[in-house]
Amino acid sequence: DAGVIQSPRHEVTEMGQEVTLRCKPISGHNSLFWYRQTMMRGLELLIYFNNNVPIDDSGMPEDRFSAKMPNASFSTLKIQPSEPRDSAVYFCASSLPRGRDQPQHFGDGTRLSIL
Amino acid sequence: AQKVTQAQTEISVVEKEDVTLDCVYETRDTTYYLFWYKQPPSGELVFLIRRNSFDEQNEISGRYSWNFQKSTSSFNFTITASQVVDSAVYFCALSEASGYSGGGADGLTFGKGTHLIIQP
Repeated sequence: DAGVIQSPRHEVTEMGQEVTLRCKPISGHNSLFWYRQTMMRGLELLIYFNNNVPIDDSGMPEDRFSAKMPNASFSTLKIQPSEPRDSAVYFCASSLPRGRDQPQHFGDGTRLSIL
Repeated sequence: AQKVTQAQTEISVVEKEDVTLDCVYETRDTTYYLFWYKQPPSGELVFLIRRNSFDEQNEISGRYSWNFQKSTSSFNFTITASQVVDSAVYFCALSEASGYSGGGADGLTFGKGTHLIIQP
């Protein structure tokens, strides 16, 4: 079975540009999570969706960040305009609908570099 | 607020030694879930184990074992007879059961991770 699929795997762009990260969760999973990993702050939860509905976006650092989940099989995380401090690895994860004890399965991440 | 502390930033041992990675958590909830993930040098995050707050039984899976003690709010991870392939960053994580989640899961709070180096 396919795991969580993220694209692109690497993104290098100049500051001020719009960046869009994409995620396809595992089929049948109804929870989707976006995390950011940096050396300074470790792994941080940015936002998560249950049944395509955003539940908690308190981890989104600024208004420059936005996330959508238009259907059960696709989500995007957008940064506009991007800044060098947004450079990080962004992970998407999904889990089964049976509750909070379900493990989250992570994609391979998108390594984002803002110059 | 929930918090996970992994006090060991880096551990280096020689192959075949046993090693224990510590995890201490803080939560106000009586129902919560604990997880361990492995991040090898290739960068992906691999799920290892979950444990709910009502199940304090220790668990063993091959060379891996986990010791959950509510009295000390700890969920430690031991690798027996370590191997070079065990070299990775290991993360402990916590999910609380409180709050509305819309019928699904909640986000994880991760510790800062322990970088485990197994030398040949």
